Amino acid sequence: DAGVIQSPRHEVTEMGQEVTLRCKPISGHNSLFWYRQTMMRGLELLIYFNNNVPIDDSGMPEDRFSAKMPNASFSTLKIQPSEPRDSAVYFCASSNRFGYTFGSGTRLTVV
Amino acid sequence: SQQGEEDPQALSIQEGENATMNCSYKTSINNLQWYRQNSGRGLVHLILIRSNEREKHSGRLRVTLDTSKKSSSLLITASRAADTASYFCATDAVTSNTGKLIFGQGTTLQVKP
Repeated sequence: DAGVIQSPRHEVTEMGQEVTLRCKPISGHNSLFWYRQTMMRGLELLIYFNNNVPIDDSGMPEDRFSAKMPNASFSTLKIQPSEPRDSAVYFCASSNRFGYTFGSGTRLTVV
Repeated sequence: SQQGEEDPQALSIQEGENATMNCSYKTSINNLQWYRQNSGRGLVHLILIRSNEREKHSGRLRVTLDTSKKSSSLLITASRAADTASYFCATDAVTSNTGKLIFGQGTTLQVKP
């Protein structure tokens, strides 16, 4: 089991550019979560999906953020246009009734 | 708003000593979980305690839960330098039926060799 796979591991982009973060959850996990981690705000839940359906996106900071889960094995988090304050580590996690598994995260730097 | 708050924010101890971290939360929960995060890495699940449990052990870890006080503690016994990491509590609220976890701000533990 390769665990939750996120790509890219690191992303440096210029302000105004579109950024797409990718996540492959563990096969058989029916829930998927996107978190953002910063020093100032800690770990924030952005959005989560249950059986590929978005359940709660109240944590998404602005309309510039969007997330999709077209099938059970893939999800994306998109920021368009990106801003320097979006710089953070973005984690994807998937879960079943036995527990959560986190990916290694994508460190995003917007300059 | 944060569901969990942890204290202390930072803890520095000598190898071999015990480390205790505390977590308080606000709403009724299904379970409370503790995670560990090494610098620059993802979160690793350590232990889960359900709302009807009061204490749980896993190796050198001991977790307690007091639902009347809405608090939990994580004790690491006989600490090692390799235990240096940040530790987070996370709660699965009763109002959430999809396992949505809300994390505390974490405790940064440094174990000096």
